[in-house]
Amino acid sequence: DGGITQSPKYLFRKEGQNVTLSCEQNLNHDAMYWYRQDPGQGLRLIYYSQIVNDFQKGDIAEGYSVSREKKESFPLTVTSAQKNPTAFYLCASNFLNTGELFFGEGSRLTVL
Amino acid sequence: QQQVKQSPQSLIVQKGGIPIINCAYENTAFDYFPWYQQFPGKGPALLIAIRPDVSEKKEGRFTISFNKSAKQFSLHIMDSQPGDSATYFCAASGRGEAAGNKLTFGGGTRVLVKP
Repeated sequence: DGGITQSPKYLFRKEGQNVTLSCEQNLNHDAMYWYRQDPGQGLRLIYYSQIVNDFQKGDIAEGYSVSREKKESFPLTVTSAQKNPTAFYLCASNFLNTGELFFGEGSRLTVL
Repeated sequence: QQQVKQSPQSLIVQKGGIPIINCAYENTAFDYFPWYQQFPGKGPALLIAIRPDVSEKKEGRFTISFNKSAKQFSLHIMDSQPGDSATYFCAASGRGEAAGNKLTFGGGTRVLVKP
């Protein structure tokens, strides 16, 4: 089945540790995105990539890093520089210049 | 800078009622206005979308009303059911530098439909 797979679904991290969230899509989409969702808040864009080996900062990129070495993969690293990393992280993808965004099931990160 | 403002933050209705969620945007370069539905612990999914060349679009019990001059659009859920209880997000996007080539989301509305 085509779709977006995020892993892990739940992740616990100690302060000071970097963690990497995986996002893989088999929809042949050009663009991929990472959003952060906090309770009672909307979706805030962290990073996005419209083509392999290129990506742009979103609205809240500080403390995060990404790579886009393959069209189907867009991993997100939450670094120790991110002050409040506990959140629900959503990966999404779409074809360029089309509206519909497809989302994965999300990864919930908790910092202990 | 929040370019899409959504209200209310939460809404409680009885079964059969009509929850109405409103969104306002600032960027006149936006030309695509979708609504997403999200259930707890899941990713959002596209519910219905509209482009500014029409003022209303219906899909089943969901209707978008669009007012281009006021830069506002709204979602109506007709004959609401408990299964419609979810968080709803409006969004907007457009092509080119002015619109950013990406979706901008509103803050979300949590809708609870009581049996």
